Amino acid sequence: SQTIHQWPATLVQPVGSPLSLECTVEGTSNPNLYWYRQAAGRGLQLLFYSVGIGQISSEVPQNLSASRPQDRQFILSSKKLLLSDSGFYLCAYTRQGAGSYGYTFGSGTRLTVV
Amino acid sequence: EDQVTQSPEALRLQEGESSSLNCSYTVSGLRGLFWYRQDPGKGPEFLFTLYSAGEEKEKERLKATLTKKESFLHITAPKPEDSATYLCAVQAGISFNKFYFGSGTKLNVKP
Repeated sequence: SQTIHQWPATLVQPVGSPLSLECTVEGTSNPNLYWYRQAAGRGLQLLFYSVGIGQISSEVPQNLSASRPQDRQFILSSKKLLLSDSGFYLCAYTRQGAGSYGYTFGSGTRLTVV
Repeated sequence: EDQVTQSPEALRLQEGESSSLNCSYTVSGLRGLFWYRQDPGKGPEFLFTLYSAGEEKEKERLKATLTKKESFLHITAPKPEDSATYLCAVQAGISFNKFYFGSGTKLNVKP
């Protein structure tokens, strides 16, 4: 079966500290991978997506970066966090060429920058 | 500009009181419209996919419908466990790898 793992579940980090959130997918090969951010009471904002190893598309210029070092691993990073980086971060995947089920989401990471 | 709008932002219902949530979209080349349910502090969970106007899907007390301009999520005789935020997303145009999300409707069903 296909599953997606995302960690940590919660994170409190000081302003100016680095960030690394990790997401892995099991049970499917060459997935499309996505990072979304959800601010309180608002919709999902697409941050990055990847259609293959080393291929990253950025949707919103900001303090974050993403990398895909392996086929089913997607990492969200920052060198120096800002207060505005606080939010709920979601990793998601879709199977290549399979639009029927849309996204499958991870359980999310609640990031609070203090 | 492609856009997805959900209404109302919040909806309070009594248990058993049926209602509908709306998702209107202005996109070119709709490929699919998706409904998700999101519980507090969790990732969205897939409910339905609709591909063409006139299509309908049902699951328990939920029924999703699609027209050329909008989709409705009908909730029949809701129960408190149906309380959640319902999100719709649209897959459209040449950007087939990207989905456009509405801001969601927060549903609260009182016993």
